[in-house]
Amino acid sequence: SQKIEQNSEALNIQEGKTATLTCNYTNYSPAYLQWYRQDPGRGPVFLLLIRENEKEKRKERLKVTFDTTLKQSLFHITASQPADSATYLCALGRNNNDMRFGAGTRLTVKP
Amino acid sequence: GAVVSQHPSRVICKSGTSVKIECRSLDFQATTMFWYRQFPKQSLMLMATSNEGSKATYEQGVEKDKFLINHASLTLSTLTVTSAHPEDSSFYICSARNGDTFSSYNSPLHFGNGTRLTVT
Repeated sequence: SQKIEQNSEALNIQEGKTATLTCNYTNYSPAYLQWYRQDPGRGPVFLLLIRENEKEKRKERLKVTFDTTLKQSLFHITASQPADSATYLCALGRNNNDMRFGAGTRLTVKP
Repeated sequence: GAVVSQHPSRVICKSGTSVKIECRSLDFQATTMFWYRQFPKQSLMLMATSNEGSKATYEQGVEKDKFLINHASLTLSTLTVTSAHPEDSSFYICSARNGDTFSSYNSPLHFGNGTRLTVT
């Protein structure tokens, strides 16, 4: 069965460092992958989309890579700030109604 | 743009009663909306896909008679939890895409802020 795993439940880093979050998947061939940020008691907010034929995408301090051979996506936040503290979810999909989410990684950036 | 409003944000009800949750797309039309359930520290679990003007498509294991979905217009979908029990207590979230099915299959989902349901 399909499995989406995000590397760890929680990640703590120091302000200014780069946070790297991992999303691995098995038994699935996604056409695209998205990353979302979720704050406590709120709905997720879209951050970045990367398609299967793209290796890397950037947006300001965010960078996403997508390796379909390794079946893995890495999500980087450079120059991290305490305000970046949240839960980050990866989501994989093939068509309109086939999008599945990982359990998320809770990132804490300490000042 | 692309705001999804979900109401209520919190609701406490007694066991056996029904609760209705509304999900509205405020500045775009959504032919399809999605309903999720989320347990603490767990992934968003897709419950059903709500289609405007037709029946919802439920995921395996989700009782359609328990979780009634109505998508009466292009901007409103409702989820009614019928005869609620304490095990139905959870965080329910809706989402929608801005655009029609075929042109936007990988476009971002816009989420409501969720409804925390507590059944006593």
